[in-house]
Amino acid sequence: GENVEQHPSTLSVQEGDSAVIKCTYSDSASNYFPWYKQELGKGPQLIIDIRSNVGEKKDQRIAVTLNKTAKHFSLHITETQPEDSAVYFCAASSRNDYKLSFGAGTTVTVRA
Amino acid sequence: DAGVIQSPRHEVTEMGQEVTLRCKPISGHNSLFWYRQTMMRGLELLIYFNNNVPIDDSGMPEDRFSAKMPNASFSTLKIQPSEPRDSAVYFCASSLNRGLYEQYFGPGTRLTVT
Repeated sequence: GENVEQHPSTLSVQEGDSAVIKCTYSDSASNYFPWYKQELGKGPQLIIDIRSNVGEKKDQRIAVTLNKTAKHFSLHITETQPEDSAVYFCAASSRNDYKLSFGAGTTVTVRA
Repeated sequence: DAGVIQSPRHEVTEMGQEVTLRCKPISGHNSLFWYRQTMMRGLELLIYFNNNVPIDDSGMPEDRFSAKMPNASFSTLKIQPSEPRDSAVYFCASSLNRGLYEQYFGPGTRLTVT
């Protein structure tokens, strides 16, 4: 099955700086890569996703890049704000499959 | 849209008791997922329903766990009898269909078994 590794496990950044989280996956058939943000006491919230026919996707301060050859994808948050502090999860899913394989999560702390 | 609704939000019970968790998916979604989240194992898929039919229950840890979806707007996850190692946060998620569709999570039920 799919195995998703996520790094780093914790990330502390100064407000206004950028944050980058990286994930690798094992199954070359995977072609859907969502990112979730989980705040304390809440469920994971989908913030952005990318499919294998696209190399990069951007939504305001959030961007995701995908390198299918190397089997890795990354989340970039620019101009970080205190409200970006949360746990971020990457995930991967195979073609026409419902199963999401999640990374272990990255705890992001934005220092004011 | 109200999003995925779960109840109760918190449940504390004694070992051996029956626990029932409830979920109402987003209206119009026909895929429903139950997940368990722990520090040790992260997010694990327990069971997946499509059009109210259980498609994959390979993640259900043991026979003490059962799930039902009697109609498109309601699902339950039952643990009987509960054990302390079942303590976790249980999430329900729904999506428009199987395949490459976004999964939307509910707020979760924090279960503590003493």
